This record gives sequence, C-alpha cells and structure tokens, in this order.
Amino acid sequence: QITLKESGPTLVKPTQTLTLTCAFSGFSLTTRGVGVGWIRQPPGKAPEWLALIFWDDEERYSPSLKNRLSITKDTSKNQVVLTMTDMDPVDTGTYFCAHKHISISGLRVLNYFDYWGQGTLVTVSS
Amino acid sequence: DIQMTQSPSSLSASVGDRITITCRASQSISSSLNWYQQKPGKAPKLLIYDTSTLQSGVPSRFSGSGSDTDFTLTINSLQPEDCATYYCQQSFSTPDTFGQGTRLEI
Repeated sequence: QITLKESGPTLVKPTQTLTLTCAFSGFSLTTRGVGVGWIRQPPGKAPEWLALIFWDDEERYSPSLKNRLSITKDTSKNQVVLTMTDMDPVDTGTYFCAHKHISISGLRVLNYFDYWGQGTLVTVSS
Repeated sequence: DIQMTQSPSSLSASVGDRITITCRASQSISSSLNWYQQKPGKAPKLLIYDTSTLQSGVPSRFSGSGSDTDFTLTINSLQPEDCATYYCQQSFSTPDTFGQGTRLEI
C-alpha cells in the first residue's frame, strides 16, 4: 500500500525559506519509472505543479519557479524534501506530494500522479 | 507551458443525469491527459489516465475520450458522491499543467 505524508511549517514569514518533507512508504524511489512530485494549490484555485524527482536522480522544476525551488531525495529514509526560497503571501496554499507513475505501453507513455499525500496548508504572513 | 482550458467552470445536475466536461490543450498532447476528482479538504484523486483508462477502483460510470487537443470526461448516471471539482491535467511535457477545474453540483 502506497502512502505519502507531507510535513513542515504551517506558517512562514515573507522572505523566509520553506522546507517541506514528504515521507512515503509502499514503494522505493530507486525503482525505474517512479517519481515523487510536489504540487501546490492556492485556496479555491487549481493545482500547480512545482517540482519532480525521478528514480534516476533527474530533477525537474516549474520554469516560473525554478530559481526558488530545490528538490532532493533520501532513499534510505524514504523521503523527498522540497525547499522554496523567498516566500511571499501569494505562495500561501496547500502543498501536496504525490507518487508519479511512468511507464511505456506500446507507443504510449503513461505518466500520471496516482497516489497523493493529504496535503499541508502553508500560510505566508508576517 | 501548455495551457489547459476546461469548460464549463461549474455545472449543476441531478442524480441519474449524464454530464460531460471538456478540456482543451493549447497544443497537441497526444493522449497524455489525466482526470482527477477533488472533494473539499482532500487531495485530488486520479480517475482516468492516458485519456481513457480508468484507474483501478473507479466506477465504470466514469469515462474519458479524445486526442490531440480536445478531451472529454463523461459521467453517466450521476450519483450524489460525484459532487466534487474535476481537473484535467496534461503530462505530455514539463511542467504538467492542470485545467482551472469544473465544479459539479448535484
């Protein structure tokens, strides 16, 4: 059974750095075709993809936030950490981590988030 | 980034109805289109991946179709528990992008 759970501060001040941890179980981030991503959702708005790390250590970032984001993994602890610098009130929202499935089926690439954490609400305010 | 546009933004229907939500991509995404259902205070739940493949455990009244830039999510025989917001998401190219959502009221 795959589970993921986010943890980190619920309140950060503007200009501070946010560090969130995703603790997962039920899969290994050394298995081919597996990734863990971070997605955030401002209150009442659509989800926004932030970053992703793959089993082979490849990292991908949202181009609009790339300069502020860092994603790392600790396979021994089954954790993925997201760091976001220079926080602003517009960064307020619920932050989710999710398991990314990637596989090939014939000529098609299957690529989707199939398991999500419960999310953690982060408020940016002075 | 590939822009995803959903319509309608909200929808009211009755139990037993059939509804359709559309999602349009700003460029071709082949079949790399996924649908999620989100209920208040919960994480999105994967319903359909690769345009039309039902995720395990999802009721068969949900179906998806389309290709290239135009996609649809259909829910047959609406049930009270289908009340939620639905999002499409393209996974063809990074960054994955989501539609703005369709709020379904029953």
